[in-house]
Amino acid sequence: NAGVTQTPKFQVLKTGQSMTLQCAQDMNHEYMSWYRQDPGMGLRLIHYSVGAGITDQGEVPNGYNVSRSTTEDFPLRLLSAAPSQTSVYFCASSYGLAEASAGELFFGEGSRLTVL
Amino acid sequence: AQTVTQSQPEMSVQEAETVTLSCTYDTSESNYYLFWYKQPPSRQMILVIRQEAYKQQNATENRFSVNFQKAAKSFSLKISDSQLGDTAMYFCAFMNYGGSQGNLIFGKGTKLSVKP
Repeated sequence: NAGVTQTPKFQVLKTGQSMTLQCAQDMNHEYMSWYRQDPGMGLRLIHYSVGAGITDQGEVPNGYNVSRSTTEDFPLRLLSAAPSQTSVYFCASSYGLAEASAGELFFGEGSRLTVL
Repeated sequence: AQTVTQSQPEMSVQEAETVTLSCTYDTSESNYYLFWYKQPPSRQMILVIRQEAYKQQNATENRFSVNFQKAAKSFSLKISDSQLGDTAMYFCAFMNYGGSQGNLIFGKGTKLSVKP
């Protein structure tokens, strides 16, 4: 019962460095997404995917890149880290369009990223 | 654009008592979903309760119930018989009907402390 797995859980970067946050789910969910959580800001959508090979931007996509080559994996890439990207990042997945499960997101445990 | 507002940054309640968390939202859509998500101190977020806007009956899940006032665009969460395990951040969220499953709009959250 792994669910949604994120790695790493903690990471410290220097400004300008690049890195990839990994996300994998074993529930065969079509939909996957990345959110960032900042104090007093709630969760904001970065990028999302409705299936393998399909991605789109959310509310705060700048500075981030995603790809979805398989149903299971949805990595988030920081191309050139900035202090403003210091945050807790959550990956989430969900079933398809079945109304009974609409909007039920399954979250990973989060990745805390600090950019110095 | 849709917005979700939680006006209570922090609340506390005594164990076994009842507490109500407030949420208002703004949308021009007539069909949508509303949610309450719980984020315990361990950080993994889970769905507490979901309400479909076209349903007049308020959703309930055990000790959790909502008061959905569509005309007033209000969606409050009532927790009855509060337990220590209810201590968490609670997020109200909105999703358009038929929208991409990952695209929830979250409020900024209410930190609930249940005191023994």
